[in-house]
Amino acid sequence: KNQVEQSPQSLIILEGKNCTLQCNYTVSPFSNLRWYKQDTGRGPVSLTIMTFSENTKSNGRYTATLDADTKQSSLHITASQLSDSASYICVVKGGTYKYIFGTGTRLKVLA
Amino acid sequence: DSGVTQTPKHLITATGQRVTLRCSPRSGDLSVYWYQQSLDQGLQFLIQYYNGEERAKGNILERFSAQQFPDLHSELNLSSLELGDSALYFCASSVGGGEGYGYTFGSGTRLTVV
Repeated sequence: KNQVEQSPQSLIILEGKNCTLQCNYTVSPFSNLRWYKQDTGRGPVSLTIMTFSENTKSNGRYTATLDADTKQSSLHITASQLSDSASYICVVKGGTYKYIFGTGTRLKVLA
Repeated sequence: DSGVTQTPKHLITATGQRVTLRCSPRSGDLSVYWYQQSLDQGLQFLIQYYNGEERAKGNILERFSAQQFPDLHSELNLSSLELGDSALYFCASSVGGGEGYGYTFGSGTRLTVV
């Protein structure tokens, strides 16, 4: 069964700290993996997209990694800011037109 | 502004009623995707249209239907509404219909069924 599992479900950190969010998937075939940031009540915004051959991709303070062998991805946020408070959603594309969404990790950054 | 426009932003209706949600894709985008996000749930893919034709179907109930018009805007019709249909409904658009195309989300329509 195609699944995308994210952990932790929620996370609270202090401003300026780093954190890492995890995404494990069992989607097959695998096309690509995206990380989205979703502010409350808003549409998701793409942070990174990674294909099978890519191990690391950065977007500012966000760095995503992908291990296609173990089917794991992580999103590392460096020097967190209050504006990083949001849900982070991992989406795996498994073949044509098939997108499987994780339920997300809710991050809260405190001053 | 992502360029994907969804209307209305909020909608409150009673059980058993029918509503229509509208999505205008980003200029130049041919694909439209519809997603449902219930409270504390992840995004559930409902359906995709590409240049007026249905391309993919996800977990869309038979009470729900959608279409994409010649001007590429799309409508999602929800009928015989139930309390459990209360959710955020997102539309996304992309240039192409398949591999390698990024897509952009609208800000959503919040549907409350009472």
